[in-house]
Amino acid sequence: GAVVSQHPSWVICKSGTSVKIECRSLDFQATTMFWYRQFPKQSLMLMATSNEGSKATYEQGVEKDKFLINHASLTLSTLTVTSAHPEDSSFYICSARISAGTFYNEQFFGPGTRLTVL
Amino acid sequence: AQSVTQLDSHVSVSEGTPVLLRCNYSSSYSPSLFWYVQHPNKGLQLLLKYTSAATLVKGINGFEAEFKKSETSFHLTKPSAHMSDAAEYFCVVSATSNSGYALNFGKGTSLLVTP
Repeated sequence: GAVVSQHPSWVICKSGTSVKIECRSLDFQATTMFWYRQFPKQSLMLMATSNEGSKATYEQGVEKDKFLINHASLTLSTLTVTSAHPEDSSFYICSARISAGTFYNEQFFGPGTRLTVL
Repeated sequence: AQSVTQLDSHVSVSEGTPVLLRCNYSSSYSPSLFWYVQHPNKGLQLLLKYTSAATLVKGINGFEAEFKKSETSFHLTKPSAHMSDAAEYFCVVSATSNSGYALNFGKGTSLLVTP
């Protein structure tokens, strides 16, 4: 199967600072990547869809100026949490969608990044 | 809107006994349904998916699920649980979103397997 990595896996930062999370598709190209947020003991909520070479599409209620998404290449999307606050502490998960082949349209998920804002 | 409801937040079974994780869906059209498993510190893994073909879907690791339109259900089953099956399981439905395509996740069922 296809592999998606995330870096870092765990980060602690001070309130007011910015944190960048990387999502990489290691053995396939992904024109579309997705960013999810998961609170403890809760489900995943889609935050935004990242399309290579164009602006991300954000779900209702997600602040695009706070959660900056960049998808500069077919294998890398980044999520930057700007001016982080404790309420931004969460588990952030990315997925990448395969656009062709056997696993067409299937999403492969990264292992997630746990963000703690002090 | 497309959504799923997982009826049990926790399920506990003994090793070697059957597993049943329940999921009901709500959709205005024929949905695509998935079951994902999440082990601690690992990425979500697709167990199986239903996309309007056979109603009984077989997945990896001995899991299967049956799509029942009359009951709007997509329950996940396994004849015999292994210790390694202990994990969080998510029932998921494809949906539309601002971006045109999304996955709506259920709240998850935590499966505990006891020796």
